[in-house]
Amino acid sequence: GEDVEQSLFLSVREGDSSVINCTYTDSSSTYLYWYKQEPGAGLQLLTYIFSNMDMKQDQRLTVLLNKKDKHLSLRIADTQTGDSAIYFCAETSNSGAGSYQLTFGKGTKLSVIP
Amino acid sequence: DSGVTQTPKHLITATGQRVTLRCSPRSGDLSVYWYQQSLDQGLQFLIQYYNGEERAKGNILERFSAQQFPDLHSELNLSSLELGDSALYFCASSDSGTTDTQYFGPGTRLTVL
Repeated sequence: GEDVEQSLFLSVREGDSSVINCTYTDSSSTYLYWYKQEPGAGLQLLTYIFSNMDMKQDQRLTVLLNKKDKHLSLRIADTQTGDSAIYFCAETSNSGAGSYQLTFGKGTKLSVIP
Repeated sequence: DSGVTQTPKHLITATGQRVTLRCSPRSGDLSVYWYQQSLDQGLQFLIQYYNGEERAKGNILERFSAQQFPDLHSELNLSSLELGDSALYFCASSDSGTTDTQYFGPGTRLTVL
């Protein structure tokens, strides 16, 4: 079955770059996603990458995809205290009948030290 | 704000009871998904509806059911509640277009006492 792995914790200093890593297993995943969850809030879509891309940049966010190793990373440049949250990696999994569900990792809790 | 709304925000009930969670998708989205987030299981896909019909089922218990109405809002019904059903329940919607990107609501926190 599909499984998405992430490290559970990451701590960085304000102004530094954060890199959150993820490995996935479903080689047929078409899209891979990063979501952010702040305390007591829902999941906010940060960015996604199509599986035939190696990199996607969106302002302070850079997503790198190594399809051969099934490795996805999210880099946050100039990390701010407002970036403190849990970050979830998710892959699309085929549920059949043209339906795609999301399989999430356990989430990486990013703590930004002022 | 994702455009997906969920009510209620919090729900406290007792074991054995039945509750209904409600979700309104983003305008124009035909697909609604339900997820459960708990400390031990993480985020798990429960069920998907597309334009009123069930499309996919995940790890949804038989005590749980859902439906999507003609106006595309959806309800998740949880019955014979157990302590272990305490969790955050999220609804997401997508346009089921090219990317099928899912946008999440703020969630309903269910506490079963």
